[in-house]
Amino acid sequence: GAVVSQHPSWVICKSGTSVKIECRSLDFQATTMFWYRQFPKQSLMLMATSNEGSKATYEQGVEKDKFLINHASLTLSTLTVTSAHPEDSSFYICSAKRIGQGSFSSTDTQYFGPGTRLTVL
Amino acid sequence: RKEVEQDPGPFNVPEGATVAFNCTYSNSASQSFFWYRQDCRKEPKLLMSVYSSGNEDGRFTAQLNRASQYISLLIRDSKLSDSATYLCVVTTDYKLSFGAGTTVTVRA
Repeated sequence: GAVVSQHPSWVICKSGTSVKIECRSLDFQATTMFWYRQFPKQSLMLMATSNEGSKATYEQGVEKDKFLINHASLTLSTLTVTSAHPEDSSFYICSAKRIGQGSFSSTDTQYFGPGTRLTVL
Repeated sequence: RKEVEQDPGPFNVPEGATVAFNCTYSNSASQSFFWYRQDCRKEPKLLMSVYSSGNEDGRFTAQLNRASQYISLLIRDSKLSDSATYLCVVTTDYKLSFGAGTTVTVRA
């Protein structure tokens, strides 16, 4: 099956530091990856769509200079939380869409990484 | 109005019981519908897609009502391992929108 990994799985940092989170598709290529954020007892909220070789598309209300996304290859996207503050503490999850899926339902299937829990002190 | 709304529960049911819950979505142009399962502090995992004709996967039955814009999930003969949060997910223009989830707790 399709596997997506994230690193690190959890991170604690001081306010003002930058944190980079990696999302990798391990056994398939993904031209499109997605970054979500989930606060406790709330739904996943899409932050941005990461496209290989082009700029990411950010959702309304998400600051692109705050959350830097780089989709460097067909298997790797990174999210950097710059100058992190306590309010950025959250569960960050990436997902990847597999290239070449044929059927309608599988085209929409996203494979999720295990998530990164960020705590900013 | 939220794009996807769910009853948060919790639904506390005994083993072997049947539990059902719905979600509603606001965008009539939504194209695809899914139920995901999320365990505490873990990533969501696809449980099943939801088709217009309704579909079943073992003990799980999903229904879609496009006219009323709601989706349902029914779990029969519930097991302890079914305890989780069930997320209703809707795709519009290839973007996933998640409900906040319905928590189900199955007790022995």
